Amino acid sequence: NAGVTQTPKFRVLKTGQSMTLLCAQDMNHEYMYWYRQDPGMGLRLIHYSVGEGTTAKGEVPDGYNVSRLKKQNFLLGLESAAPSQTSVYFCASSLPLQVHPSSTDTQYFGPGTRLTVL
Amino acid sequence: AQKITQTQPGMFVQEKEAVTLDCTYDTSDQSYGLFWYKQPSSGEMIFLIYQGSYDEQNATEGRYSLNFQKARKSANLVISASQLGDSAMYFCAMREGPASGGYQKVTFGTGTKLQVIP
Repeated sequence: NAGVTQTPKFRVLKTGQSMTLLCAQDMNHEYMYWYRQDPGMGLRLIHYSVGEGTTAKGEVPDGYNVSRLKKQNFLLGLESAAPSQTSVYFCASSLPLQVHPSSTDTQYFGPGTRLTVL
Repeated sequence: AQKITQTQPGMFVQEKEAVTLDCTYDTSDQSYGLFWYKQPSSGEMIFLIYQGSYDEQNATEGRYSLNFQKARKSANLVISASQLGDSAMYFCAMREGPASGGYQKVTFGTGTKLQVIP
């Protein structure tokens, strides 16, 4: 059981370049999320997905696109990278929140991708 | 208004002493879950403890306990017998939304940096 994996772990881009971050989970989770983490700001939700073929915007979606073609994969794309997108990106997955919430609702995180845009 | 508020940007604790990290939350939902995560300097997000909105007893996991005061909307993390390895960032988080599925809002606090002093 690998849990949640992210590819790549590190990347340096030039302004205007594009790239795709890949997240994969093997826990059969319905929900997947992309966050960015910046100093002093905690984690902010970029986009999320409640199932295969569905995606939705989070708190800071501008400049990013996502796709969930397979249940186990969630891709985050940057079409034209900007220095403001320099950050650490985390992917997470979880089961749906239950009627009576339980610890199985926990989000499981990947190791993160450190992205620098010059 | 902030959904999750962590008022302590940084804290120090003597090794073997107990420490409380504060977290207050804001929601109008009846069904929600509260989480604490640890992020060591290596960067990964480690799930520590969970409290469901319907749980009447405080959650405990080893040296971690969650002091859940629903009326005050607080979910403080208590670490007993601090160890040097507890030095890390600690994030409080909340999942809320319709338990029937669909939109799930996940919010993180800005974190508390804990340093354990030998």
